Amino acid sequence: GAVVSQHPSRVICKSGTSVKIECRSLDFQATTMFWYRQFPKQSLMLMATSNEGSKATYEQGVEKDKFLINHASLTLSTLTVTSAHPEDSSFYICSARGGPTEAFFGQGTRLTVV
Amino acid sequence: AQSVTQPDIHITVSEGASLELRCNYSYGATPYLFWYVQSPGQGLQLLLKYFSGDTLVQGIKGFEAEFKRSQSSFNLRKPSVHWSDAAEYFCAVGNDYKLSFGAGTTVTVRA
Repeated sequence: GAVVSQHPSRVICKSGTSVKIECRSLDFQATTMFWYRQFPKQSLMLMATSNEGSKATYEQGVEKDKFLINHASLTLSTLTVTSAHPEDSSFYICSARGGPTEAFFGQGTRLTVV
Repeated sequence: AQSVTQPDIHITVSEGASLELRCNYSYGATPYLFWYVQSPGQGLQLLLKYFSGDTLVQGIKGFEAEFKRSQSSFNLRKPSVHWSDAAEYFCAVGNDYKLSFGAGTTVTVRA
């Protein structure tokens, strides 16, 4: 199956700094990628839809200035958590639409803000 | 609005026993339904999906699920669990891969 790679898998940053998470489709092109957030022992919540070459579409309640999404190529979407605070600590997962019947998830990024 | 309910937060099952995970959904049209498995600290792996056609869907790792429109359910089953099946299982509904997930069911397998 197709592979979606997220980097880094874990990151610890200081409060107030920004962190960039990359989501790459390694062997297919993805015009649409999705970013999810997962709190401990909870489900995944869709944050935004990332469209190649256009602005991301954010779900209600998600701060677009806080979570910057860029989808500059057909194989790469990035999520930047700006001015991170401890409450932004979470597990972030991306998925990429690989065709009409399949979406593939990355392995996730554990963000800890101290 | 679309939503998914997984009534069981945690299930413990003996190795070799059968497993059934419940999933109920709410969706305004014909749903696309998915089951994913997540190991600790990992991403999600697709077990199976239903778009249309045969309501009994076969997936990977010996899992199957049955779509019952009248009950708005998409329950996941496995006849004989292995210790490696211990994980978190998520049911999801959506279209165009914009998915709504259930809260998840944690499966513990005892020897």
